[in-house]
Amino acid sequence: AQTVTQSQPEMSVQEAETVTLSCTYDTSESDYYLFWYKQPPSRQMILVIRQEAYKQQNATENRFSVNFQKAAKSFSLKISDSQLGDAAMYFCAYRSAAVQGAQKLVFGQGTRLTINP
Amino acid sequence: NAGVMQNPRHLVRRRGQEARLRCSPMKGHSHVYWYRQLPEEGLKFMVYLQKENIIDESGMPKERFSAEFPKEGPSILRIQQVVRGDSAAYFCASSPTGPYTFSGANVLTFGAGSRLTVL
Repeated sequence: AQTVTQSQPEMSVQEAETVTLSCTYDTSESDYYLFWYKQPPSRQMILVIRQEAYKQQNATENRFSVNFQKAAKSFSLKISDSQLGDAAMYFCAYRSAAVQGAQKLVFGQGTRLTINP
Repeated sequence: NAGVMQNPRHLVRRRGQEARLRCSPMKGHSHVYWYRQLPEEGLKFMVYLQKENIIDESGMPKERFSAEFPKEGPSILRIQQVVRGDSAAYFCASSPTGPYTFSGANVLTFGAGSRLTVL
């Protein structure tokens, strides 16, 4: 079974600076998808960014980018120019591309990000 | 588009009572997923449903939990005879296509969750 590990329970960063959240995963599959979700205090789960494993190019969405290292099974999220609204729990998630398992997202434990003004 | 609507947002039950959580998927979405989030943990998959069909319930506890997605109306997650360990946030998500199709279209949209507290 696949597992996702976020080793940083909490992180903090000064407003306008850059922060990187770590995520590693374990799988024997070669084709899969990776996601970062944001959960603000409202509890709404919001998709931040996604990456297809077959793509070598790292995904980017405005101030959010990932460093996808397939061989190392690492998928970190970089937030540039941090804003107060970025404060939230961030979850890394894995989804298999295989028929059996494709319907499940496997989540990490989350990293709570605090933005200091 | 109202997004994925879940209600109630908060539900308090005493041990032994029943809890019913409702989820209306986004307009045009016919695939529904339920996840549970225990305190200080990530979300855990429970069940995947299409209209009138349970496709995968491998994450559901064997007893007391059931889910349905009728032809008309919202999806319902039902917990009978609740215990304190059922206290959690329950999230519903929906997608426009199934997970076995091209992934680009199968991005899950989550609701805001229903927080169940069992006294």
